[in-house]
Amino acid sequence: GQNIDQPTEMTATEGAIVQINCTYQTSGFNGLFWYQQHAGEAPTFLSYNVLDGLEEKGRFSSFLSRSKGYSYLLLKELQMKDSASYLCAVVGDYKLSFGAGTTVTVRA
Amino acid sequence: DTEVTQTPKHLVMGMTNKKSLKCEQHMGHRAMYWYKQKAKKPPELMFVYSYEKLSINESVPSRFSPECPNSSLLNLHLHALQPEDSALYLCASSQEEGAEQYFGPGTRLTVT
Repeated sequence: GQNIDQPTEMTATEGAIVQINCTYQTSGFNGLFWYQQHAGEAPTFLSYNVLDGLEEKGRFSSFLSRSKGYSYLLLKELQMKDSASYLCAVVGDYKLSFGAGTTVTVRA
Repeated sequence: DTEVTQTPKHLVMGMTNKKSLKCEQHMGHRAMYWYKQKAKKPPELMFVYSYEKLSINESVPSRFSPECPNSSLLNLHLHALQPEDSALYLCASSQEEGAEQYFGPGTRLTVT
């Protein structure tokens, strides 16, 4: 099975930076995804890491350390529309499992 | 076309009804998925189809019956559901099993 941990909630100010950490334990690691989900909507794909290191996509970056079972999602220049749940999802033995999600609230 | 579509958007059904949820994608993806999501919880995997064959069934009760008529379509047949089955049902697809998944908007199901 898989065990995925991420903080439940985070709050930050508009324009600031927030880092959401995710730790995981899995067999047959095939990759790690970050998804964004606004309330009442479907998850949308943000990033994918399969090798160690940093992947940057505009205001969002994701980092992976396979040896530590650790990833983070970095959100820069926060905007009000970034208020959402952020889901860390790990593929182990080709099966995707989601963490419980981190609710990020952006305040003016 | 990078869209996964689902119908209906909302469904209310009684415990004796039979209904079906539909999902469609035209991205040439060979893996399709059904997830169930309760409020404030992450999506829970129900079924995975890979190359039109059932690959994973996460011990889902038989009142949920998936069907993959072709590589673009995925159905979920519902029969004799319970009120606790009320949830958002999400369909997703990916190029191959284990690749990044694209989600449809979901069907919000209420069982009365």
